[in-house]
Amino acid sequence: NAGVTQTPKFRVLKTGQSMTLLCAQDMNHEYMYWYRQDPGMGLRLIHYSVGEGTTAKGEVPNGYNVSRLNKREFSLRLESAAPSQTSVYFCASTTGFSGANVLTFGAGSRLTVL
Amino acid sequence: GQNIDQPTEMTATEGAIVQINCTYQTSGFNGLFWYQQHAGEAPTFLSYNVLDGLEEKGRFSSFLSRSKGYSYLLLKELQMKDSASYLCAVRDSNYQLIWGAGTKLIIKP
Repeated sequence: NAGVTQTPKFRVLKTGQSMTLLCAQDMNHEYMYWYRQDPGMGLRLIHYSVGEGTTAKGEVPNGYNVSRLNKREFSLRLESAAPSQTSVYFCASTTGFSGANVLTFGAGSRLTVL
Repeated sequence: GQNIDQPTEMTATEGAIVQINCTYQTSGFNGLFWYQQHAGEAPTFLSYNVLDGLEEKGRFSSFLSRSKGYSYLLLKELQMKDSASYLCAVRDSNYQLIWGAGTKLIIKP
């Protein structure tokens, strides 16, 4: 049981380049999230999805697009990378919003934009 | 605005007890979570509180006071493997998680 898998784990981009981060979960979770984590700051929500075919904006959506490809997969795309998007990106999933439903995180993708 | 405050860094000795505090100001409250994150790894779930009081789980306990907007995570019998960051997160009235910046816990022999 792999849980949440993210690819790639590391990537270096030049300003203006594009790339896609891929996330897949095998726990049959409805809800999936993309966060970024920067030093000295809490996890910040970029976009999320409450089910196949749905996406919604989080706290810091600008510069990012997402697609919920199917129930398992949720991608994050940077169309024109900027140095401010240098960060560690985490994908997470859960069964629901309420109660003790907890997030299961992927291992993270470290992105550097030069 | 919504805000969660935790100490940036704490140091403790192996075998001792440490308490990590978290205070929050959020739009509504639907539960508080503690996660552990080792350096370079993903956060993993530790505890969940929604009612006032203490939740105990082995060496770890978490306390909540909703009236004071306050929680703490208590770690007993500290081990070197407990060196990690501890993240406090509150689910607000929109059922979104608001995260603190985390407390880096350093364990010394």
